[in-house]
Order: sequence, then structure tokens, then C-alpha cells
Amino acid sequence: EPEVTQTPSHQVTQMGQEVILRCVPISNHLYFYWYRQILGQKVEFLVSFYNNEISEKSEIFDDQFSVERPDGSNFTLKIRSTKLEDSAMYFCASRGKNWDNSPLHFGNGTRLTVT
Amino acid sequence: AQKVTQAQTEISVVEKEDVTLDCVYETRDTTYYLFWYKQPPSGELVFLIRRNSFDEQNEISGRYSWNFQKSTSSFNFTITASQVVDSAVYFCALSGGGAGKSTFGDGTTLTVKP
Repeated sequence: EPEVTQTPSHQVTQMGQEVILRCVPISNHLYFYWYRQILGQKVEFLVSFYNNEISEKSEIFDDQFSVERPDGSNFTLKIRSTKLEDSAMYFCASRGKNWDNSPLHFGNGTRLTVT
Repeated sequence: AQKVTQAQTEISVVEKEDVTLDCVYETRDTTYYLFWYKQPPSGELVFLIRRNSFDEQNEISGRYSWNFQKSTSSFNFTITASQVVDSAVYFCALSGGGAGKSTFGDGTTLTVKP
């Protein structure tokens, strides 16, 4: 069964550094998402992306965050200047056109540690 | 605004007991989707079930069953004859139509003891 893949599985970075989290969604999917889960807490929506633009973003997704689908297969999340509170598990997800036919598929996540 | 409430923070049962995880939701959308995900200790999110707002038919899949009641805005999940491998955090989630971000509940940590 096709799956969403995320790399790296774990990223350690210093405060103030830029990080790029990478995701390869399922190939025929149309909607792409990033979610975040701070350790031990709920899964929080960051941003949705459709038709090469952001559809919706949460208040967490401020100017330090950006997303890109540079080549039709990868879907990246960039954090420009990381803060300690950005430490979390970041999940990429994708789905097809219709919810009835296509549940949200999550990748295994990237654990970001900011020191 | 959408909201999902999982009132049970932690549940502990002994193997072979049945356990029900509660989920109550709020939405103004007329079309919406409800989900349950399992997050084992390894951290990934495993999709278990999806229900749309027009389908109140309850479902059973092996040891898992779901009870969706629009009248009470609830989407509860029951595990019959629980096993140690069922130990995980379980999330209920709600999504509206369109691009449809999903709103997650806080999760219920289920511990099944041998």
C-alpha cells in the first residue's frame, strides 16, 4: 500500500538555525498537510496546501514557517529560525479528492529537537 | 469552530476486558468526517476508521466497534477483549469539507495490563 514518507526521522538543530522537513506524499493525492505534536500533547494542525497554495493555516504557522511543493513530489516545511518551543514531532499527511474515498494518510513523523 | 473532547485522559484495564473510549465533538458544518487514530509508543499515527456525518450506521471490525450518534454528537470506540498490544494513545478527530483540516482531541492513553 502506498505511504507517506518523511525524512529525516529525527533532526537536531540549534536555536536560530533553519530547518527543512521533507515529505513525499502519496503520488495521486491532492491535499497536503503539516501537523505538529509537542511531546505528550495533542496533534495540532499547522497548514493545508492544495493546488499549489496554502488553503488554511493555524495561528501557530507564523512568518517563521513556510511550505513548498517544489517539484510535484516533495512537500517541505521550513522553519526559518528555530526556537526551543519548536521542538516537537512534525507529521506530514496527504489525501485524495474525496474524504469518502480517501482517509488522511500520515507519515511516520520527524522528531525535531531544538537545543 | 470545531472542537473534539476526549474526557478520558487515561484508562487502565486488564487484558480481555472490554473498554470504550469516548469522543464528543462540536461543529457547525453540516458535512463533516470523524476519525479514530491509534498512536502506539513508536509514535506513528495509525488510521482506524472514518465516518461521514450522513452515515450513522455503527461498524464492527474484528475486536473494534464504533458507535456514532449525531443526536449526542458522540463517536465512541469500543475494543472488545482488549490485548496488551492495544496499549496506545487513541485520538478522535473531526474534519469539515473542502481542504478540511482535522481537529484532534487531546487523546486517551489506554494501558492494557496482562
